[in-house]
Parts: sequence; structure tokens; C-alpha cells
Amino acid sequence: QQQVKQSPQSLIVQKGGIPIINCAYENTAFDYFPWYQQFPGKGPALLIAIRPDVSEKKEGRFTISFNKSAKQFSLHIMDSQPGDSATYFCAASATGTASKLTFGTGTRLQVTL
Amino acid sequence: DAGITQSPRHKVTETGTPVTLRCHQTENHRYMYWYRQDPGHGLRLIHYSYGVKDTDKGEVSDGYSVSRSKTEDFLLTLESATSSQTSVYFCAISDPGGADGYTFGSGTRLTVV
Repeated sequence: QQQVKQSPQSLIVQKGGIPIINCAYENTAFDYFPWYQQFPGKGPALLIAIRPDVSEKKEGRFTISFNKSAKQFSLHIMDSQPGDSATYFCAASATGTASKLTFGTGTRLQVTL
Repeated sequence: DAGITQSPRHKVTETGTPVTLRCHQTENHRYMYWYRQDPGHGLRLIHYSYGVKDTDKGEVSDGYSVSRSKTEDFLLTLESATSSQTSVYFCAISDPGGADGYTFGSGTRLTVV
């Protein structure tokens, strides 16, 4: 049972483009939605996170949009750069569950020159 | 990654042998987790710990056991390795209510032949 569905599986954009990665969840108890960035040979690293009391959060070039009624959230990368080429994972957790994260299947992003 | 180390980084083992992976943290974080990463599956939780000697199963716990005798160490044991356990294993740590999310180790690439 996949509780967090992520799409697309892979994405290629040109430098300066705005890649968008989407996630949908099923468990209405989820109340914390982070995004992780992973470079080859490294562990994932927290990029940005949102809680359902807001519909959008921006940190630098990265923005999370959150739609509670649709149970969907997405990551937008403004002015994408070749250094953003990585695998991105969305995740979700619920309060009181030892912060256990359920991850999406990942999106491999390539930003070309 | 700072504060969390995994060992070994790479291991090749034979089917049917027991294998133990180690995760060591210096952050004094309460929660520790073991995930496996496989193409098309993202990161899946194997076991987690919410304190010394307090552990619980994740979604893919069959064939794995864990132990946490000290705050800083979380061991993952494959009781009798199978080819389906060939994967990259990540340890992660977090603190209750912490704003930093998970900190992941650099991973252990395990190959079962």
C-alpha cells in the first residue's frame, strides 16, 4: 500500500525552467510534509517542509504548494540550475508516530544547460 | 554526514549468512530509523527506535531485526541474507519536535550473492 504517491518518476528541464514535482497522500492523519534532496552516493537531505496550516512555503528558489482538501502537495524549483540535478523525495508523517516518515518513490531531476 | 555514521559503507555477502549494519550518532537524538532504498520504491522503513531498548517494526521488517542498547548506536541485522535484501540501507536520526527533520547517514550498499 503506497500511502504517498509521487510523480513524475523523472524530469528533464532546461536551465532557468521551473520543474514541478507532485505528491498525493491518503492518510488524513499526516500533518508534516517534507521534501528531501539526494545526490548520487549521498543520503537524502531535508530541503523544505510544510505543515497543513499554510498553503504555501518558500525558501529561496524552492516552494511547496499544499492543497489539504485534495490531499496533494508539490515542489516548485524556480530558476532551476544544473546543480539542482538530483533525486527528490516527498514524504509525510503524523504527530505521535515517532516522526516516522512515509516517502514517495522519488523523482530524478536533470537540469540541462 | 555530520553527527551520524554508518558502517560498513559497502559489503558483499553470501546468501544465508547473517549480516549486521551499524549506525552511530553523536547528536543524542531520541529517534533512530533504518530505511532501505530500491529503484521504484523510494525509501521504505524497516525498523525504528524511540529510545534505548525501545524498537518497533516498519513496513518491510520481515527478515530484519534491530537492537539499540545505547542512545548512540542502532544495529540492523539481516538474520539470513537473501538476494532480495540487496539494497542501499540508510540510517536516520531525528528529535521529537525538532525542526530539522531527519538527518541521514551516507548509506551502506549491501550486495547479497
